[in-house]
Amino acid sequence: SSELTQDPAVSLALGQTVKITCQGDSLRTYYANWYQQKPGQAPVLVIYGNNNRPPGIPDRFSVSSSGNTASLTITGAQAEDEADYYCHSPVNSGNRYVFGTGTKVTVL
Amino acid sequence: QVQLQQWGAGLLKPSETLSLTCAVYGGSFSAYYWTWIRQPPGKGLEWIGEITHSGSTNSRPSLKSRVSMSVDTSKNQFSLKLTSVTAADTATYYCVRVFRGVRFVERLDYMDVWGKGTTVIVSS
Repeated sequence: SSELTQDPAVSLALGQTVKITCQGDSLRTYYANWYQQKPGQAPVLVIYGNNNRPPGIPDRFSVSSSGNTASLTITGAQAEDEADYYCHSPVNSGNRYVFGTGTKVTVL
Repeated sequence: QVQLQQWGAGLLKPSETLSLTCAVYGGSFSAYYWTWIRQPPGKGLEWIGEITHSGSTNSRPSLKSRVSMSVDTSKNQFSLKLTSVTAADTATYYCVRVFRGVRFVERLDYMDVWGKGTTVIVSS
């Protein structure tokens, strides 16, 4: 399958740590990239490749991977981290890329 | 700072053609792939297709028969046309810059700059 599956939603208290997982066959070959999307806004790249953060992305965002699963960890979540998070990877098929189903993160 | 500015018609009738253009300000136009992504209301992201500065294209198989893309390197712009639209094409459409290559021996393929999005509604 060329799909990427994520848990639909997760809630956590301010300052806690959360791990968001993404599963799919393509992750056995490629690293996942991760995007944060807030309501009414375009997605923003937060992690790409093997734990690379674009300029301006805080180091509380990190990733790990094993087999067909990639994980995004937010260590010490802040209120501004409340958003939808999507994983993404290339695929070896005509669709070129696949996105995860998305995880809604709520910071209480 | 690289910016993508996109525009196009936001309300279409079924069977009409969706037409969007994206202008790239700043950065190299030739070093990246230029991509279209869409997001139906309340749903996830879907890759539509990509074009290079030289005009090479690749598109989603399920949309290939209706999609055409073009590039104008003199203006650093690229465009998307989607013919015979239906309600299923209602979505926010994003133009996106893609880096694909090797950096410090790491193979990378990611979308780092996004336009603000254009909401397209298909309704009779």
